[in-house]
Amino acid sequence: EADIYQTPRYLVIGTGKKITLECSQTMGHDKMYWYQQDPGMELHLIHYSYGVNSTEKGDLSSESTVSRIRTEHFPLTLESARPSHTSQYLCASSEYGTGEKGTQYFGPGTRLLVL
Amino acid sequence: AQTVTQSQPEMSVQEAETVTLSCTYDTSESDYYLFWYKQPPSRQMILVIRQEAYKQQNATENRFSVNFQKAAKSFSLKISDSQLGDAAMYFCAYRRKAGNTPLVFGKGTRLSVIA
Repeated sequence: EADIYQTPRYLVIGTGKKITLECSQTMGHDKMYWYQQDPGMELHLIHYSYGVNSTEKGDLSSESTVSRIRTEHFPLTLESARPSHTSQYLCASSEYGTGEKGTQYFGPGTRLLVL
Repeated sequence: AQTVTQSQPEMSVQEAETVTLSCTYDTSESDYYLFWYKQPPSRQMILVIRQEAYKQQNATENRFSVNFQKAAKSFSLKISDSQLGDAAMYFCAYRRKAGNTPLVFGKGTRLSVIA
């Protein structure tokens, strides 16, 4: 069973505020990912990381930034939230190395509403 | 670039009946992984089934099975004896085995189960 956690689960915030969405996993996975998903719609990869101090931008351009200082932690930050950032944000992780099966495990998501 | 296509935005099935969700993909790789993920309404994304391309045998997990046609680049999901709890968004995903690449997701199929 995957152990990947996201906080907060729901967030309502005003325009211009700085926010950080937290993601942690206890599986020792090297790879971590952030997706943006409008409810019931497709997933868009916005950031990923293959290890500590490694981050890459995904397919969808995003004004958010990420950091990977510890293996288990992959926070996403919006410096100045806007209504266009309203969405669901999913964090995921997977193993790396020989024998890994490529399976990504997902967190429960954070639903963000920017007023 | 690899792409994953789910041509059925919505499907419905009667409870206890069987339904098949289609997925096609485009790749020049010979070894890769394919996945079906399930995302129930307002709930966590979970792995349903995984297939390794070099394995001829179709993967099965209880009521869920796949029809993997490598030459046709087709990877359909069959759900037998459908239950109300099967109602969800289903996403097909691809990942090449070599190198550091994230999953490529299809746009999803919304499955409704009718009592």
